[in-house]
Amino acid sequence: AQSVTQLGSHVSVSEGALVLLRCNYSSSVPPYLFWYVQYPNQGLQLLLKYTSAATLVKGINGFEAEFKKSETSFHLTKPSAHMSDAAEYFCAVSGGTSYGKLTFGQGTILTVHP
Amino acid sequence: DADVTQTPRNRITKTGKRIMLECSQTKGHDRMYWYRQDPGLGLQLIYYSFDVKDINKGEISDGYSVSRQAQAKFSLSLESAIPNQTALYFCATSSGSGTGELFFGEGSRLTVL
Repeated sequence: AQSVTQLGSHVSVSEGALVLLRCNYSSSVPPYLFWYVQYPNQGLQLLLKYTSAATLVKGINGFEAEFKKSETSFHLTKPSAHMSDAAEYFCAVSGGTSYGKLTFGQGTILTVHP
Repeated sequence: DADVTQTPRNRITKTGKRIMLECSQTKGHDRMYWYRQDPGLGLQLIYYSFDVKDINKGEISDGYSVSRQAQAKFSLSLESAIPNQTALYFCATSSGSGTGELFFGEGSRLTVL
């Protein structure tokens, strides 16, 4: 079975500050890992994905994430937060017998203060 | 137009009523999914279908049923709605190749009184 844990259900940063959203996963097979973003009253939109190529993955809107196998982590970062980054972020994992079925973390709500 | 369309977007109903949420897609994907979102719990998989003749239960299928009417259509039914089925429901699709990335609809918010 696969699982995802997102550390921190709420994260608050100032505009221009570093954004760090934490994600740890559990998988018995090499995983595919994803970060999705959900803006209010919208569906989920893919930010970036890890597919066993480069361990540092760049996504949309200036976000990136680094796959660290030894730490079973896939933390999401952005050097400088914008007000428009305020949203809920979900980490997800799939792979092996769970291929095609994403298991999601519980979500982290990012608040950006002026 | 959205690639994955859900109807209705909002629905309020009463306990015991039968409810159907519909999903249609223009992405040409074979795989379709229904997820449920509750605050603080993330998304949980209800049912998924890898092609028209394939239906599979997810983590939380009790109280729900689905119908795959065509490659492009996948409906979720609550035969007798109960208040703890109040949630935001998402339909998603994937191509079945590559990484299994999901493409989501905008969600259907269901309130059961």
